[in-house]
Amino acid sequence: EIVLTQSPATLSLSPGERATLSCRANQSVSINLGWYQQKPGQAPRLLIFDTSNRATGVPARFSGSGSGTDFTLTISSLEPEDFAVYYCQQRRHWPLCTFGQGTRLEIK
Amino acid sequence: EVQLVQSGAEVKKPGESLKISCKASGYSFTTYWIGWVRQLPGKGLEWMGIIYPDDSDTRYSPSFQGQVTISADTSINTAYLQWTSLKASDTAMYFCVRLNPMTGLQFDNWGQGTLVTVSS
Repeated sequence: EIVLTQSPATLSLSPGERATLSCRANQSVSINLGWYQQKPGQAPRLLIFDTSNRATGVPARFSGSGSGTDFTLTISSLEPEDFAVYYCQQRRHWPLCTFGQGTRLEIK
Repeated sequence: EVQLVQSGAEVKKPGESLKISCKASGYSFTTYWIGWVRQLPGKGLEWMGIIYPDDSDTRYSPSFQGQVTISADTSINTAYLQWTSLKASDTAMYFCVRLNPMTGLQFDNWGQGTLVTVSS
């Protein structure tokens, strides 16, 4: 099974700062990785698919990069609405997929 | 607009059966995989399984194989998740999701979630 490990578990930053979230796989997932944002009491929302493609309606301040086993979600300048939990997800061996455990992005 | 609207919260006793639903609209229901994701209280996301409504091809996560049944009714554009004998450990939020081949087969649309509480 492909295991995704996200770091840090919690990231404390202020609005306007840059956020860098990491997702590491225990084996290569090629570029078959996505990122989701979940706010309290809401369903997750797809942000990034296939490592670096923004989903419809996702602001340009969100970007994804990486390949193989190491991936990064970057938020260039945090807005108040960006504070949430972020999950990575891999789909290397479709239909199987796994999620990371999440990174909580909180206001400092 | 794509919408996935799930049935309401449920409170059940251990050993009881349950079937929750997810009604899709705004797209061709039969030609997209649709599935379910579990979120235990205060925890992360777990993929349970998916179904292709056009031919009922169903795939399960090994963790959920034999524990739940996923089905779909194309006449009413609705997917289902069912249990024959609930356990307390099934207490969770359940989301239905659509897989989109145009977005790397990631889950591009989510239902609002159905909270299932299993308690004696």
